[in-house]
Amino acid sequence: KQEVTQIPAALSVPEGENLVLNCSFTDSAIYNLQWFRQDPGKGLTSLLLIQSSQREQTSGRLNASLDKSSGRSTLYIAASQPGDSATYLCASDGSTNDYKLSFGAGTTVTVRA
Amino acid sequence: EADIYQTPRYLVIGTGKKITLECSQTMGHDKMYWYQQDPGMELHLIHYSYGVNSTEKGDLSSESTVSRIRTEHFPLTLESARPSHTSQYLCASSEWVGRGHEKLFFGSGTQLSVL
Repeated sequence: KQEVTQIPAALSVPEGENLVLNCSFTDSAIYNLQWFRQDPGKGLTSLLLIQSSQREQTSGRLNASLDKSSGRSTLYIAASQPGDSATYLCASDGSTNDYKLSFGAGTTVTVRA
Repeated sequence: EADIYQTPRYLVIGTGKKITLECSQTMGHDKMYWYQQDPGMELHLIHYSYGVNSTEKGDLSSESTVSRIRTEHFPLTLESARPSHTSQYLCASSEWVGRGHEKLFFGSGTQLSVL
């Protein structure tokens, strides 16, 4: 089964600093990897989807990279704002789980004003 | 964007009650999912469906059951709720974006507390 790990579990930064969130996965035979945002007590909002043939995806201040060979993805958030405070989850499919998504436990980000 | 709705948003009930968590989506997605999430923990897939009359158990064993009679509707039922069922339940549907890639859309979740 695909195992997804996110480090660190929590992160606190001052406003304006760039954020770097790490995700690792055990099965490199993936179709895609997705990053989600979750606000407290809410559902998940899809941020970026990186297909297995891609190395990165960008949306506004967000950039996600994918390195299948090393089993890693990184989410960069430029010039962080207090509104970026949330939990960010990484999810990946894999051949060992019939290509259903497996989720990491998330990184909880706090951006201090 | 997909529109996917879950009701109720919060539910507090006593042990032994039968409950149904509702999930509906308006985008015509064939695949739908139920995930269970405890605070600070990863999401665990408990049920999924590939379409009408299709239901499968997920990775995490669950005493709940699901049905898929209509494309847009994927309710989850607990026949006899117990405190161990206290958790957040998240419903999702997925959109085919080509070449094995599916994008997930989530509802706002149901926070269930069993006393």
